[in-house]
Amino acid sequence: GAVVSQHPSWVICKSGTSVKIECRSLDFQATTMFWYRQFPKQSLMLMATSNEGSKATYEQGVEKDKFLINHASLTLSTLTVTSAHPEDSSFYICSASPLTGLLNQPQHFGDGTRLSIL
Amino acid sequence: AQKITQTQPGMFVQEKEAVTLDCTYDTSDQSYGLFWYKQPSSGEMIFLIYQGSYDEQNATEGRYSLNFQKARKSANLVISASQLGDSAMYFCAMREEDYGNNRLAFGKGNQVVVIP
Repeated sequence: GAVVSQHPSWVICKSGTSVKIECRSLDFQATTMFWYRQFPKQSLMLMATSNEGSKATYEQGVEKDKFLINHASLTLSTLTVTSAHPEDSSFYICSASPLTGLLNQPQHFGDGTRLSIL
Repeated sequence: AQKITQTQPGMFVQEKEAVTLDCTYDTSDQSYGLFWYKQPSSGEMIFLIYQGSYDEQNATEGRYSLNFQKARKSANLVISASQLGDSAMYFCAMREEDYGNNRLAFGKGNQVVVIP
């Protein structure tokens, strides 16, 4: 159980294109999902917390107009990289967990999206 | 201040040997949880093991065990009988009770390469 699906897994596109990444919880409901960015050989950097039915909470330094997050339902959050440029190339990964309120509840991750902007 | 510290350089481990990955954490909460994740080169994050701050016994999960030393604020991961498939980045993470929303703080990771 607790499967998170992320799509697409790989995107290559031209500079100026907007790219949408989907994150779905397949067998549980998630009022909160998280979006991370990861550079090679580095840790996960939290970009934003996606809240179902309300605005996302962005981390300091993350441009909310560049990285649009929509949490349309209890099983789907999307990240749109608007007008992407080569510096936006990175590995983006989402996570979610059933809201149990328990400390021992792990976050479950999607398989990530490798974004390359030419 | 960093909440999770992983400072070991990349490690080479002989197949079938055990390896210990260090993790220290910083929190003033009494109630918190510690997690270890594995990230192979393909990129997915795989949950390995959990240790709660009130757990009296060290957590174990198959070949994974946690050496939890609360007073030292350390939660080292031990992988026994290493296999080639254990080659990956390993991340230690912490959830604090007052974080809310199930947020995790991640360390910088340990790179492990298992050699035959």
